[in-house]
Amino acid sequence: DTGVSQDPRHKITKRGQNVTFRCDPISEHNRLYWYRQTLGQGPEFLTYFQNEAQLEKSRLLSDRFSAERPKGSFSTLEIQRTEQGDSAMYLCASSPRGDRSREQFFGPGTRLTVL
Amino acid sequence: AQTVTQSQPEMSVQEAETVTLSCTYDTSESDYYLFWYKQPPSRQMILVIRQEAYKQQNATENRFSVNFQKAAKSFSLKISDSQLGDAAMYFCAYRRAYSGSARQLTFGSGTQLTVLP
Repeated sequence: DTGVSQDPRHKITKRGQNVTFRCDPISEHNRLYWYRQTLGQGPEFLTYFQNEAQLEKSRLLSDRFSAERPKGSFSTLEIQRTEQGDSAMYLCASSPRGDRSREQFFGPGTRLTVL
Repeated sequence: AQTVTQSQPEMSVQEAETVTLSCTYDTSESDYYLFWYKQPPSRQMILVIRQEAYKQQNATENRFSVNFQKAAKSFSLKISDSQLGDAAMYFCAYRRAYSGSARQLTFGSGTQLTVLP
């Protein structure tokens, strides 16, 4: 079991650039979540996939943000025209199928710094 | 909307002693799950313990136990025999239980626990 992996672990970019993050969930986990965590705060929900379908999006997910999970396996989160306020840790989590599935397994996160 | 409040930004405990972290939440739902997650420095978040709202019995996992007061909407975490490895940020989290709804977690702002040798 390799756990949830995220790439890259760190990303530094200049304001206005586009960035893309990747998340590989635990194999056979059909549910995948993206969260954003700013310094000293708890994670905030961004979006949720069940298989390849994006079923829920937070109001935090502005038009500059887009997420995909094309084959129901890995997911990408893209931020266009980055702003300094986008600097945060972006966390991915996955959970297995089953109506009573409860625990979400988190990846190590991608820390984004926008200069 | 559900909210989770952790009123203790920082706590400290002597090694081998007991510490309790507080959490309150607000919801109109009757069926839900509550969690405590641990986030060590520069490491990923891991589940410490979970509680189903329909269960009256408080959950226990080795040195970790909860005091779940549904009417008061309170969910505290007790760590017994604290160890240096318990030092971390602890997050309380809430999730709706209903099938078909999004299963995202709502987190509190966290409590930074320091364990003193």
